[in-house]
Amino acid sequence: EVQLVESGGGLVKPGGSLRLSCAASGFSFSSYSINWVRQAPGRGLEWVSSISSSSSYIYYADSVRGRFTISRDNAKNSLYLQMDSLRAEDTGVYYCAREAAAYYFDHWGQGTLVAVSS
Amino acid sequence: DIQMTQSPSTLSASVGDRVTMTCRARQSISTWLAWYQQKPGQAPKLIIHKASSLQSGVPSRFSGSGSGTEFTLTISSLQPEDFATYYCQQYNSFPLTFGGGTKVAIK
Repeated sequence: EVQLVESGGGLVKPGGSLRLSCAASGFSFSSYSINWVRQAPGRGLEWVSSISSSSSYIYYADSVRGRFTISRDNAKNSLYLQMDSLRAEDTGVYYCAREAAAYYFDHWGQGTLVAVSS
Repeated sequence: DIQMTQSPSTLSASVGDRVTMTCRARQSISTWLAWYQQKPGQAPKLIIHKASSLQSGVPSRFSGSGSGTEFTLTISSLQPEDFATYYCQQYNSFPLTFGGGTKVAIK
């Protein structure tokens, strides 16, 4: 069974940093691109970042470029999101999502909540 | 960026109803469109990809159609477990973008 389990969320002050992790199991992690998608409270879905299977291709939403860094460790079946210079508008649930054949998402984690507030 | 617009934002329906919702792209995305279902407190679930391809394990009462800039998601006979919010997502180009969602509520 495909499983994606996020961790690392929490309460952080504006300007602070947080590192999210996503632990994968049940599939060949190194063969898939993985993404981060977030959802502000009561709002819709917003794509954040994508990393290809070998980390050769990385993409970011304009809203996080320069502040967030996506990375992965295929030996550990893990995905990461380093979030720096956090803002109130970064508050929300962060999901990791496995990319299917082409940039849509066939499996999602349960999400981890990030709250940016003073 | 390709803006995705969903309508209506809320749809009230009864069990057994045929339900249709629309997703429009600001520019052509061919058939590079996915639909997701999200229930409160849960992660989204993929139901349709490539505009009309039903994801494995999803009931056949769900169907998708369209190409270019206009797409529809239809539920042929609404079931109690279908009350949820539905999002479209284009994957024609980065940044990947989602519509604002259509909430299917109980009438």
